[in-house]
Amino acid sequence: GAVVSQHPSRVICKSGTSVKIECRSLDFQATTMFWYRQFPKQSLMLMATSNEGSKATYEQGVEKDKFLINHASLTLSTLTVTSAHPEDSSFYICSAVPGLGANVLTFGAGSRLTVL
Amino acid sequence: GIQVEQSPPDLILQEGANSTLRCNFSDSVNNLQWFHQNPWGQLINLFYIPSGTKQNGRLSATTVATERYSLLYISSSQTTDSGVYFCAVGVGFGNEKLTFGTGTRLTIIP
Repeated sequence: GAVVSQHPSRVICKSGTSVKIECRSLDFQATTMFWYRQFPKQSLMLMATSNEGSKATYEQGVEKDKFLINHASLTLSTLTVTSAHPEDSSFYICSAVPGLGANVLTFGAGSRLTVL
Repeated sequence: GIQVEQSPPDLILQEGANSTLRCNFSDSVNNLQWFHQNPWGQLINLFYIPSGTKQNGRLSATTVATERYSLLYISSSQTTDSGVYFCAVGVGFGNEKLTFGTGTRLTIIP
């Protein structure tokens, strides 16, 4: 079945540094990927839609200059949290639709970011 | 935007029990999926069910689109069923963009 790989699974960084999270579709091409954010014991909130070869579409309230998304190939999207602060600590999850016309999302295992 | 409410928020059951989880949504949808999030955070798709009824082993789901709700049934619960269950909906065309519900945290006690 379709597999989405996300790396790193856990990352701890100092306040003010930048962190990059990778999301790869392993056995299919994904023109569109989605980035979600989940705080402890809460639901998933869509941050942005990542489009291969074009700019990402951000949801209302999400700072595009803080959360940089790059979708340079059909199998890789990256999320960079720039100048991270403790309030950016969260669980970040990517997902993709495995194939044209498919409706079911496949999710990566998530990346837990802790900013000290 | 669309509102997606799930009930109950928490559910604790003995192993072997049956349960029904509910998802109410505030607008018409073209996409509805149920997910299980395990204790490590991984989301697994259970059903794609914008309407009708489906069954997969001990799990089944029913969506009544005209009344804007969906139900997830779990029979003969096992400890591995523990985790958080989310329904997620998509509206309009290009409906892979999903809005997640509030979730139901299920704990199965041996």
